[in-house]
Amino acid sequence: EPEVTQTPSHQVTQMGQEVILRCVPISNHLYFYWYRQILGQKVEFLVSFYNNEISEKSEIFDDQFSVERPDGSNFTLKIRSTKLEDSAMYFCASRGAQETQYFGPGTRLLVL
Amino acid sequence: DQQVKQNSPSLSVQEGRISILNCDYTNSMFDYFLWYKKYPAEGPTFLISISSIKDKNEDGRFTVFLNKSAKHLSLHIVPSQPGDSAVYFCAASAETQGGSEKLVFGKGTKLTVNP
Repeated sequence: EPEVTQTPSHQVTQMGQEVILRCVPISNHLYFYWYRQILGQKVEFLVSFYNNEISEKSEIFDDQFSVERPDGSNFTLKIRSTKLEDSAMYFCASRGAQETQYFGPGTRLLVL
Repeated sequence: DQQVKQNSPSLSVQEGRISILNCDYTNSMFDYFLWYKKYPAEGPTFLISISSIKDKNEDGRFTVFLNKSAKHLSLHIVPSQPGDSAVYFCAASAETQGGSEKLVFGKGTKLTVNP
């Protein structure tokens, strides 16, 4: 069964460093998403991406964040200068023509 | 901003009995609702969904009911099994022009099914 994959599973970084989180969505999907879950809090939307551009972004998704689909398979989230409060689980999701989004296993980011 | 609310943080049921998880929403523009199951340190796993044009959708042991007038949905699991023990998230989306249809999640309900 097709699934969304994410790498790395864990990432530890120093405050101010850049991180890139990688996702491989399900191959025939067209819509891609990033969400995050800070420990003990809700899963919250960050950004959606369709047709090689951002279709919607949340208030969290400020200038420090960017997304890219560098080739036909990968979808990346970059945080340019990490802050302590960026520590969270980051989930990638994708969907096809139907409305159901399928999530990856997540990347646990810890900013020290 | 709690557009999707799951007011019960936890629920404990006996194996074989019915589990009922509840979810309320405030945004009348939501037209698609989903339930996800999540284990610690894993991503949400899709369980079942329902469109706002329906009031019930069933898939095996899982049934979702939608009451649009009350802005309420529920997930029924019958019979409950110990392997169902996890956190269950309710999520909703609204159709947008840009096709984003971001999901808005509730806080989750931790279900424990006791053998």
